[in-house]
Amino acid sequence: QKEVEQDPGPLSVPEGAIVSLNCTYSNSAFQYFMWYRQYSRKGPELLMYTYSSGNKEDGRFTAQVDKSSKYISLFIRDSQPSDSATYLCAMSEDDYKLSFGAGTTVTVRA
Amino acid sequence: DTGVSQDPRHKITKRGQNVTFRCDPISEHNRLYWYRQTLGQGPEFLTYFQNEAQLEKSRLLSDRFSAERPKGSFSTLEIQRTEQGDSAMYLCASSPTLNEKLFFGSGTQLSVL
Repeated sequence: QKEVEQDPGPLSVPEGAIVSLNCTYSNSAFQYFMWYRQYSRKGPELLMYTYSSGNKEDGRFTAQVDKSSKYISLFIRDSQPSDSATYLCAMSEDDYKLSFGAGTTVTVRA
Repeated sequence: DTGVSQDPRHKITKRGQNVTFRCDPISEHNRLYWYRQTLGQGPEFLTYFQNEAQLEKSRLLSDRFSAERPKGSFSTLEIQRTEQGDSAMYLCASSPTLNEKLFFGSGTQLSVL
């Protein structure tokens, strides 16, 4: 079993819909949680960064961390075609090594 | 701040050849990381540097792989005697000390024929 499991997708949603992305993990020592967006043939771009449990909002993006359930989520409100990309969850227990999910590819249809 | 720069963007090589990639981190970022990403998977940690010191190497990094960061600035990743299984995107990232916010470059896509 992988340390980080991510809903595989792909997801296809109409413009304006809410996108929900999820990851589960097995390592209870993880304390830093991130979401990255990756466009084709590009490196991952940091979207959201949270420490420990709770919610964090940044514009149309909301990240949720539930450490008791070992579950993290990313919500994208009012999705746009430009949000079409692969979304990667990542987490770490220390300050140098990230464990990534396999990614969920999202397509927002105009 | 021009971001993390990687060179080349693409590399095609024949099995058995040696290849070298370069990474220029964001200036004043003390930490530099190498990750590898294969199609349909998330990046996997290979190694990282704190200034010029290489502090950890993943077991994914066989003896054919070597990374350096002379003077704590740019870094190089060399793969000797490449194999088809080495085909992947090699990503470099940097971060300030004691900060988990890794900033990635666009990667070097390696194809071993």
